[in-house]
Amino acid sequence: NAGVTQTPKFRILKIGQSMTLQCTQDMNHNYMYWYRQDPGMGLKLIYYSVGAGITDKGEVPNGYNVSRSTTEDFPLRLELAAPSQTSVYFCASSRGQSGELFFGEGSRLTVL
Amino acid sequence: EDKVVQSPLSLVVHEGDTVTLNCSYEVTNFRSLLWYKQEKKAPTFLFMLTSSGIEKKSGRLSSILDKKELFSILNITATQTGDSAIYLCAVEATGTASKLTFGTGTRLQVTL
Repeated sequence: NAGVTQTPKFRILKIGQSMTLQCTQDMNHNYMYWYRQDPGMGLKLIYYSVGAGITDKGEVPNGYNVSRSTTEDFPLRLELAAPSQTSVYFCASSRGQSGELFFGEGSRLTVL
Repeated sequence: EDKVVQSPLSLVVHEGDTVTLNCSYEVTNFRSLLWYKQEKKAPTFLFMLTSSGIEKKSGRLSSILDKKELFSILNITATQTGDSAIYLCAVEATGTASKLTFGTGTRLQVTL
């Protein structure tokens, strides 16, 4: 099983550019999440979704947008990249509303 | 605001030693506490502790939860070099999804 797959693994952006981080899972999980991880900081929740068509903000949503048109896919969009968005981004999914999260391998984004 | 504090921040031990990692938390409407291991990439799930399951064990790893004093410990006995990783503690509040609040992690290095 592939589990949670993220693309791209690495990306360098210029300030003001836009991009989408792709995330797909093949476990038929309803719940999906986007976290960012900065050095010396814990993972911070950006957005989450409890099912297709339903999304909600997490702790640090500013500068990001998400959509959830299918159960499998949960892309994260950066509209106007800023250096503060340099981070490692993790997509995750869970079977239910509580419990183990399954993480993708991460996408390292650098904004210069 | 929910908060998770882990200690120590980093730790170097010799193979065969026993280590104890600490996690204290503050959370409104506690549901569970989870431990993850993060090697090079994605965090992988270790344990989930709840009011009905305050002690877990898997091989050389074990964890307990003290809901009264609001902390958890992760013990690793007979450490091996493969245990070298960042260990993340996270808490989950009751709600519509598994929105975790993470600590900054403890970096464990096991040397020969």
